[in-house]
Amino acid sequence: AQSVAQPEDQVNVAEGNPLTVKCTYSVSGNPYLFWYVQYPNRGLQFLLKYITGDNLVKGSYGFEAEFNKSQTSFHLKKPSALVSDSALYFCAVRDLTSGTYKYIFGTGTRLKVLA
Amino acid sequence: EAQVTQNPRYLITVTGKKLTVTCSQNMNHEYMSWYRQDPGLGLRQIYYSMNVEVTDKGDVPEGYKVSRKEKRNFPLILESPSPNQTSLYFCASSYSINSNQPQHFGDGTRLSIL
Repeated sequence: AQSVAQPEDQVNVAEGNPLTVKCTYSVSGNPYLFWYVQYPNRGLQFLLKYITGDNLVKGSYGFEAEFNKSQTSFHLKKPSALVSDSALYFCAVRDLTSGTYKYIFGTGTRLKVLA
Repeated sequence: EAQVTQNPRYLITVTGKKLTVTCSQNMNHEYMSWYRQDPGLGLRQIYYSMNVEVTDKGDVPEGYKVSRKEKRNFPLILESPSPNQTSLYFCASSYSINSNQPQHFGDGTRLSIL
């Protein structure tokens, strides 16, 4: 069965410092992986995706993520955090070989960037 | 402007009173989906649709119905709502399930079932 784990409910980081939001996944085949961000009272917004190819994926607002097949991880990173990055972040996976068309989301990680 | 529109944004109602949450997209997307968001549980997929008249269950379909009679609309129906369906609901769409395009989300519908 597909699953996604975001082990940290909250991550605190000082403005200007690098940030990492962790995500690990479990699928039986090849994954499509996504990161979304949610601001208060809004829907989710797409940040970046991994489909195939280069393991380092660059996305919106200076975010990037590294796909690691051996560790089944897809951690979200940013070299220098901004206060405006404070939001709720979701990792999602779709198993391409499962025969289903479902998406599985993690439980979310709240990022707080402190000024 | 490309968007997914949900209505209503907020609803307080009582147990057993049928309700429908509408979802419409203007991007000619084939794939549409409904999720519920609950604290500590993240987003869970309720139902999805690959195209007109093609729907399937997600991970938490119990107590919900959907229909896809037109490409742009994907309403979520609660025939007999119960308090455990109090939640924040999101509709999403993407170009095609066979593409690698991300989903576009509506702004959410907060349902309270008393």
